[in-house]
Amino acid sequence: KQEVTQIPAALSVPEGENLVLNCSFTDSAIYNLQWFRQDPGKGLTSLLLIQSSQREQTSGRLNASLDKSSGRSTLYIAASQPGDSATYLCAVSRAGNNRKLIWGLGTSLGVNP
Amino acid sequence: DTAVSQTPKYLVTQMGNDKSIKCEQNLGHDTMYWYKQDSKKFLKIMFSYNNKELIINETVPNRFSPKSPDKAHLNLHINSLELGDSAVYFCASSQRLQGFAQYFGPGTRLTVT
Repeated sequence: KQEVTQIPAALSVPEGENLVLNCSFTDSAIYNLQWFRQDPGKGLTSLLLIQSSQREQTSGRLNASLDKSSGRSTLYIAASQPGDSATYLCAVSRAGNNRKLIWGLGTSLGVNP
Repeated sequence: DTAVSQTPKYLVTQMGNDKSIKCEQNLGHDTMYWYKQDSKKFLKIMFSYNNKELIINETVPNRFSPKSPDKAHLNLHINSLELGDSAVYFCASSQRLQGFAQYFGPGTRLTVT
């Protein structure tokens, strides 16, 4: 059974710092992995999607890496800003016919000005 | 223009009532989803439809019945509401069923009293 864990559960950093959020999964037979952002009281915004054949994806100040063999993904945020404060969720899509997303509980990030 | 919209945003109702949540996407996507996010922020897939056909039906009480009149709409009807149904319900869509990023609506906060 696939399980997704995100560490740390919460993180507080000063503005300008580079930071890394971690996501681990127990079954390496994934189809892809997505990072999302959730702002309080709002829906989820898709940040990056990494296919199982890829090692990383970049979008602006965000870089996500994927190491299937070790069951890990990291989301790197460069030069953090107060507007980056949100909960960051990782979700993996199973390989096979039923490719539903399995979700982590997220990392709550606070960036202090 | 909102890509994935849900109505209502908030829903407060009494136990035993029947209610519906509507979802529409204007992205031209083939696949739509319903998720439930509980008080612990855990996200769980409930249903997914691909071209109006039910693909995923997780272990959800049969009081929950999705209906997809066309590719752009996926509504969720809930009969005989219970206290445990209180949660935030998210609608999402993706271009196709496999390997594509999911785009979320803003959520519907359901409170059953």
